Order: sequence, then C-alpha cells, then structure tokens
Amino acid sequence: EVQLVESGGGLVQPGGSLRLSCVASGFPFSSYWMHWVRQAPGKGLVWVSRINTDGSIINYADSVKGRFTISRDNAKNTLYLQMNSLRAEDTAIYYCAKSLAEGGQGTLVTVSS
Amino acid sequence: QSALTQPASVSGSPGQSITISCTGTSSDIGGYNYVSWYQQHPGKAPKLMIYDVSNRPSGVSNRFSGSKSGNTASLTISGLQAEDEADYYCSSYRSSNTQVFGGGTKLTVL
Repeated sequence: EVQLVESGGGLVQPGGSLRLSCVASGFPFSSYWMHWVRQAPGKGLVWVSRINTDGSIINYADSVKGRFTISRDNAKNTLYLQMNSLRAEDTAIYYCAKSLAEGGQGTLVTVSS
Repeated sequence: QSALTQPASVSGSPGQSITISCTGTSSDIGGYNYVSWYQQHPGKAPKLMIYDVSNRPSGVSNRFSGSKSGNTASLTISGLQAEDEADYYCSSYRSSNTQVFGGGTKLTVL
C-alpha cells in the first residue's frame, strides 16, 4: 500500500522559512517523479513543483520560483520542500504526490504575523 | 500561469449523468494527452479518478469517464450517486514543463 506522510508544517512569520518532508513507503520511491501541490483554505488545488527520479530535472510554478527548493533523498525515501521568503499567500495545505496519482494527507503551512 | 477553466458548480439528480468541462489552450490540454481528474470530499485529500484523458485507475467506478476534444476536456459521471457529491479538479501537463489545475467544480447531487 502506498503511503505518503507529510510533516514540517506550522505557523511561520512572513519572510520566514520552513522545510517540509514527505516520507514514502509501499512503492519504489526512486522510480517515480514526485510533486508538491498546495491548497489554500477554501480554495482549489495549485501545482507547486516536481522532481524527477534522480533529482536532475526540477520545475517550479512561477509563484514559488526562486523561493522554494524541491529535493529528494532516495536512500531515505523522502521528498523535501525548502520554503524561504514565505508570504501570506503561501498559506495552504501542502500535499506531496507520487506522479500526481497518489498523495498524502497534507501538512498545513500558515504564514502570519 | 493561468488555471484551466471549469464551471464553478454543476448539479444532477441521483441516477442522472452530468458532465464537467475543463478548458485550456493548445499549450496544455490541446497539446498533450495528459489530462487528469481528481475528486475531493470536504476535509479529505484529492483522489485520482481519471488519468491520461480517459483512463481509470484500478478501483475507480466505471461510472466515471473522461474525454477530450481540442482544448477542452470533459469528465462524465453516469448513474449519479449521493457519494459522488464532491469537488472535482482537472489537471494537465503544460508545455513550460509545469502542471496546471482547473479552479474546481462543486458537484451537488440533488
């Protein structure tokens, strides 16, 4: 059974940083592209970033480019999202997703003073 | 990066069929057969219902079907059931090596 468990969310002040983690199990993590998707409270899904199997191909949405960094550690079956220069509009539940087919339950990031 | 366009809401009675549209451009829906549809119940994580335009993952009811014509994709749900009431999102690969979602459609089963 595929399991994706996100963690690292919380309350952070504008301009601050957070690192999200997503621990994967139940499938060969190193064989799959991974994505981060977010959802602001009461709003729709928004794609954030993706990374290929060995980390050599990375893409970002314009809204986070230059502020967020996606990475992965295949030895630890873990996906990361380093979020810097956070803004109020980054407040959302962040989901990691295996090839955009299966995702976790998400972790809530709140950016507020 | 503009989102794909979906109707804000649709409704239908139990047993009926409904269709949700998702309109993009030649740079996303029209240019690739990488359209997916997701179902999301309140407070729950999204669930993949259709991938690659018209394919159903294992375990998804055959009452759900997908199609595409030009820059518009569609999700059809036949034999509506109460448990189908949820938000539905389309998604497509975009030529800028990114992914884009629609704004979401709230399905109400009357």
